[in-house]
Amino acid sequence: DAKTTQPPSMDCAEGRAANLPCNHSTISGNEYVYWYRQIHSQGPQYIIHGLKNNETNEMASLIITEDRKSSTLILPHATLRDTAVYYCIVMIYNQGGKLIFGQGTELSVKP
Amino acid sequence: EAGVTQSPTHLIKTRGQQATLRCSPISGHTSVYWYQQALGLGLQFLLWYDEGEERNRGNFPPRFSGRQFPNYSSELNVNALELEDSALYLCASSLLAGGSAVGELFFGEGSRLTVL
Repeated sequence: DAKTTQPPSMDCAEGRAANLPCNHSTISGNEYVYWYRQIHSQGPQYIIHGLKNNETNEMASLIITEDRKSSTLILPHATLRDTAVYYCIVMIYNQGGKLIFGQGTELSVKP
Repeated sequence: EAGVTQSPTHLIKTRGQQATLRCSPISGHTSVYWYQQALGLGLQFLLWYDEGEERNRGNFPPRFSGRQFPNYSSELNVNALELEDSALYLCASSLLAGGSAVGELFFGEGSRLTVL
């Protein structure tokens, strides 16, 4: 499995966009990029995933570079409830749920 | 619709004992996954069950075992408990093997096991 690199922590002002980067320079052509988050003491929550095109849903946007070696998760209007650890994961399609969680980025949204 | 439910919420055991943790997936989901999250560490993949069969296993000793029942619920057993087994154990489910939406797992709130 390709490994990911994320900054250990980031701060964001409430109401501003939070841009969380992830490097996955060894990603292979059949690996997807997934984002999950874990709010303190809760189970992880799926956010979004993508292969090569940019993706958007009601929670966030995912921007993947053309060479697929990095990506950015964007929370367009961060709220205090978005304070959590965000995990960027790469996984081969249909690998059976063996998501490999790294250390993630601890995002603190401040008023 | 009920989410993934886990029981017990908290469990305290002593070294050498056995612990059993239970998980009920979202209705209609056939795959169940177990993860361990020790304090200060990330989530470590333990086991994946689908249609009653063990499909994949993480790098854990054989004293970590489990099973999936015909109703797709699952239990995780940890034998000969050690202090370092103290952790939050998370269960997740998905609709199809590999994830309902290519890896979309739905997690429960976890069972916190403390080994004294």
